[in-house]
Order: sequence, then structure tokens, then C-alpha cells
Amino acid sequence: SYELTQPPSVSVSPGQTARITCSGDALPKQYASWYQQKPGQAPVLVIYKDSERPSGIPERFSGSSSGTTVTLTISGVQAEDEADYYCQSADSSGTYKVVFGGGTKLTVL
Amino acid sequence: QVQLVESGGGVVQPGGSLRLSCAASGFAFSSYGMHWVRQAPGKGLDWVAFIRFDGSNKYYADSVKGRFTISRDNSKNTLYLQMNSLRAEDTALYYCAKDPSTTVDSWFDPWGQGTLVTVSS
Repeated sequence: SYELTQPPSVSVSPGQTARITCSGDALPKQYASWYQQKPGQAPVLVIYKDSERPSGIPERFSGSSSGTTVTLTISGVQAEDEADYYCQSADSSGTYKVVFGGGTKLTVL
Repeated sequence: QVQLVESGGGVVQPGGSLRLSCAASGFAFSSYGMHWVRQAPGKGLDWVAFIRFDGSNKYYADSVKGRFTISRDNSKNTLYLQMNSLRAEDTALYYCAKDPSTTVDSWFDPWGQGTLVTVSS
């Protein structure tokens, strides 16, 4: 079955750059999206179609794709960016399915 | 603004049933596909089901296939999830989410605040 793999945790100091990766065999053929979830809140879309940023999302959030890996980059990390981040993609190779990565806890030191 | 409000959660015994609703406002509900996604306490996101804008196609996660049914009433701007034969592992916060994509790719924006389903005897 199709899986997306993320590191469980990433830690950075304020002002540094955080990179969160997501790996999956189908990512060369399917777009990925990224969601930010803070404690007690619903997820929020921060990147879609690998690198598109929704309106209202700060420019410090960016996305990229290379082969079977997509990366969420947060430049100039701020304390408010501490959250769980999930990648997501759709699998249309057989019966349509949506897959989420296991999530990455971003800690701002 | 776009708003999604879930309701219908609660405590139910194993083997029981529950119907969740998601009231949509602020956008042309009948033009967009919709999803249900759940999150067990302290766990990650788990996709449950998707329905196309007109209800013509429905897709389910293997874990709920045959037990859950997604549906919509475009005249009422409401999405539903009928959950039967509930199990303890179905305990989760259930979110509805709009799918802005017009292709086979999907993403979720926005999400509702969720409704909690607890399956316990």
C-alpha cells in the first residue's frame, strides 16, 4: 500500500531554516500538500501542488519536490511555527485513496 | 467566509451507529468535492472518505469500507457520514474538509473544527 514517510521530529532555533521531508514512491507522479496543526486546532493548509502557497500563508513557508521526496521549508522560523506538520498526497493508480504522512513535530528551541 | 461546522458526534457502544453532519457556508458547496478525515487521540491524520461534487463517485479508506457511507445534500449544503458497525478503533475527532482541486490530485482547504466520536462500552 502507498505510504508517505516523514521524520517524527525536527528542531531548530528561532531565525534558522527548518526543512521537513516527506518520501513516497508515487510522489513523482502525484502532487503533495502540507498542513500545519497546532494543539487543539484543526489542520491548516500551508502548501499545495508541491510548491503553491495559499493566500494568507506567510512567504517563509515554501515547498519543493525532487524525485520521490517533497520538502517543506520554513525560512526564518518563528516561535509561532511550532506545530505538527503533515504531508498528504492522493493515490490514483488504482482505486482513489488519500494518504497522509505520519506527521513531524517541529520544535522551536 | 468559508465555514464548515461538524455535528453529530458522541459516545456509542461497539457495533452501534452514528451519523455525522457537516454544514457548509460561504462557498458554492455543490461545486466541490468533500472529504472526511479523522484523528485518533494523540495520533496523526487518517483519511476516511471522499465524495465528488455531484455525489456521482464515492471513495473510502479500506478500514471503513462497507461500514461507513459518505453522502451529501447539495440543496442543504450539507455533507454526511453514516457510520455503522462502529469499533473502538473508530474513536477519533472527525473533520470534514473541502477539496478545492479539479483534478485527481486532492488537497484540503479549509477544515472544520471536528466532532468527537467515542466508541466505548
